[in-house]
Order: sequence, then C-alpha cells, then structure tokens
Amino acid sequence: AQTVTQSQPEMSVQEAETVTLSCTYDTSESDYYLFWYKQPPSRQMILVIRQEAYKQQNATENRFSVNFQKAAKSFSLKISDSQLGDAAMYFCAYRSTGTYKYIFGTGTRLKVLA
Amino acid sequence: EAQVTQNPRYLITVTGKKLTVTCSQNMNHEYMSWYRQDPGLGLRQIYYSMNVEVTDKGDVPEGYKVSRKEKRNFPLILESPSPNQTSLYFCASSLYPGQDPKVNTGELFFGEGSRLTVL
Repeated sequence: AQTVTQSQPEMSVQEAETVTLSCTYDTSESDYYLFWYKQPPSRQMILVIRQEAYKQQNATENRFSVNFQKAAKSFSLKISDSQLGDAAMYFCAYRSTGTYKYIFGTGTRLKVLA
Repeated sequence: EAQVTQNPRYLITVTGKKLTVTCSQNMNHEYMSWYRQDPGLGLRQIYYSMNVEVTDKGDVPEGYKVSRKEKRNFPLILESPSPNQTSLYFCASSLYPGQDPKVNTGELFFGEGSRLTVL
C-alpha cells in the first residue's frame, strides 16, 4: 500500500526568506502524480503545484517549486520569497494513475514571521 | 464559477440523530469523493464515486453511507452519528482519473469543508 510521510509537523520562516517542506512516499508503481495542497485558516484546500512522475523536470509555479527525486521517493516543496499569506497547513498528496485513491500526508504547518 | 458546494458548513448534533451533508459540483466531473480531516492524521478518504450509481469504500467508511444518483451530487449520510465522527469533512471532485494522464492529472477540486460536532 502506498504511504505519504511529512516528517515536519511545523516549520517557521522569516518573511522574504526561503523554506523547504519535505515529503516522502512509498509506492511500487511507476506512474503516479504528486501534489502539494495549501490549507489557509479559511480551511479551503488550494492546489499549489503538481508533478507527473513521468516528467524529469521539476514543476514550478511562480515562487513555488518542487524537488522531485523519483528514485529516492522524495517530493519537497520550496517556497521562495515567503510572504505572510503563505502561512498555512501544507499537505503532500499522491495519486496513482491506476487507482482512484488519493493518499495525503499528515500536513506541515508553516508559520511566516514578519 | 466552477465550484464544489457543501452544506452545512457547520453543524452541532447529538449522538444518534441522522444527518446528511450535501455536496454538489458544477464542473461535470465524473469522480467525487469524501474525506475527513483530523489533527495529526491528515485527510483520509471515506468513500468515492467514479460515476453515477458507482461508489466504493475508502480507508475509513465505517459509520457512513453515500449515494450517487445524479452526476453533480454526492451526499454523505451519517445514519447514527457518534462522537468519534466529530471532524472536518471535505467533498472533492475531479475528472475521471482513468483518462489519458497527459490530459487529466487528476487534480482534486475541494469544497469549503463542513465542521461537524457530535455531542
């Protein structure tokens, strides 16, 4: 069975600095997708970034980028130039192309310090 | 506006009193699912549906029922709620996950969440 692990329950970063949130997963499959979702205090789940396993290139979305290491089964999220609005809970998620099941990590709460 | 709508957003109820949390999406998505979010446990899947009249259990289905009579609606039913079902619930939808992965990456679109308290 697939698992997703986020080993950092909480992280802090100074405004304008860079922070990296870690995520590891376990799977025996070769085709899958990985996602980072953000949950601000409003509780809304917002997609931050996605990565297709078949793609070598790391995904980027403005200040957000990932370091996808397929062999190591690692999928970290880097937030550059952190802003106060980045403060939220961040969830890493896995979806296999062969099933309809999504697996989420336990989340990392990010605090941004002014 | 493309959205997933859940109701109610907040509910306090008592043990044993049947309740339904509604979920509706306007994106013509085939796939819909329910999750519960608990501190330290992340999001866990309760049930999912691949299309009308097709549903299946997720990781934590005990105590819940669902139905999918229309494509846009996927209500979550708690026949006899208990305090351990106190949680934050999310409905989500996406395009059919079995489609060409180069077309559909299976991104989930979430509702705003329903905070349920069972006393």
